[in-house]
Amino acid sequence: DAGVIQSPRHEVTEMGQEVTLRCKPISGHNSLFWYRQTMMRGLELLIYFNNNVPIDDSGMPEDRFSAKMPNASFSTLKIQPSEPRDSAVYFCASSPLGRGGFETQYFGPGTRLLVL
Amino acid sequence: TQLLEQSPQFLSIQEGENLTVYCNSSSVFSSLQWYRQEPGEGPVLLVTVVTGGEVKKLKRLTFQFGDARKDSSLHITAAQPGDTGLYLCAGLFSGNTPLVFGKGTRLSVIA
Repeated sequence: DAGVIQSPRHEVTEMGQEVTLRCKPISGHNSLFWYRQTMMRGLELLIYFNNNVPIDDSGMPEDRFSAKMPNASFSTLKIQPSEPRDSAVYFCASSPLGRGGFETQYFGPGTRLLVL
Repeated sequence: TQLLEQSPQFLSIQEGENLTVYCNSSSVFSSLQWYRQEPGEGPVLLVTVVTGGEVKKLKRLTFQFGDARKDSSLHITAAQPGDTGLYLCAGLFSGNTPLVFGKGTRLSVIA
């Protein structure tokens, strides 16, 4: 059974470029979460969806960040324009019951983003 | 803002030693989870604790939830190099809010 799939695994880009991160959650899971992890700030929740609907995007740092979930099997996190301070590991996670995190969250392997 | 404080931030020990790491908050958790993250991978759930005073064991790992549900500890007995990783606690403060993660304890077990 495939876990959460993220692509790309690594991304190096220049400041000002658009970056799109992709996530395929585990089939049948109702909630999807996007996190950002840095040494300084730890693991931060950016946004989460329940049944494809964004529930809480208060963690999205600014308007340069946007996330979509057009269907139950796909989500994107877009940064436009990217800045060096966006460099981090971005994780996608899914969970089965749609309670916003009480149940187990299954994390993908992450996308390591470096903005030069 | 609900925060989780984890200590110590870094821990390096020899194989065979015992260790305890802590997770604290000024707020009451409705439940708390511990995750382990290995380099280059995402966090993986180890355990969920729900009841104040609850103790759960997972082989050499013992998890305890404080009576007041504001703190938790993870004790590892006879640590092994395979225990190396980042240990994260994550708290749920109410039924309608997502998990809040601590910054983690980075453990290194040296053979």
